[in-house]
Amino acid sequence: QVQLVESGGGVVQPGGSLRLSCAASGFTFSSYGMHWVRQAPGKGLEWVAFIRYDGSNKYYADSVKGRFTISRDNSKNTLYLQMNSLRAEDTAVYYCAKDHRATAFDIWGQGTMVTVSS
Amino acid sequence: SYVLTQPPSVSVAPGQTARITCGGNNIGSKSVHWYQQKPGQAPVLVVYDDSDRPSGIPERFSGSNSGNTATLTISRVEAGDEADYYCQVWDSSSDHYVFGTGTKVTVL
Repeated sequence: QVQLVESGGGVVQPGGSLRLSCAASGFTFSSYGMHWVRQAPGKGLEWVAFIRYDGSNKYYADSVKGRFTISRDNSKNTLYLQMNSLRAEDTAVYYCAKDHRATAFDIWGQGTMVTVSS
Repeated sequence: SYVLTQPPSVSVAPGQTARITCGGNNIGSKSVHWYQQKPGQAPVLVVYDDSDRPSGIPERFSGSNSGNTATLTISRVEAGDEADYYCQVWDSSSDHYVFGTGTKVTVL
């Protein structure tokens, strides 16, 4: 069945870096755009980044632009999020999600927790 | 940036109808999508493109969109519908994806 599994979360100090991964299965990964969405503890959903199916276009939320980089390896069916210069406000559960017609998110992973704290 | 506003909470008795609104400037010109999120779980798409349902989503979930308000309607509400619901659009002017503030649905 269609599945997305995130990994790589953990505790990191402010100013540190972390790389998240999202392993996809059950669909043709190379044919779909992919997103990262996050949710701070007790808060709502916030879109983070999008990458086109072939990696040719990438978009970022203003809150992470210049610090986070989204990428993908279609040969490994894997999506990545490189997070640098992390701040306390980046603390959240990070979800990867499959794109639906470039406007919505139709399949979500279970999420991975990132905590930025000294 | 584009803003989507939802009521913080909606309460409804079992078997009744819950309506969750999502307000945004001329939202009727955009495609609106709705997600259900139960505690400790990932969101699930329940309505896309204003009023379409993904496979496996009950017909009790429906949507509409016009003017400055989109609405998710849950008919014949069940205890299992208790969750947070988020609306979402794609803002073409910024190439950003925007979520609403979220609505907690409580089944009395």
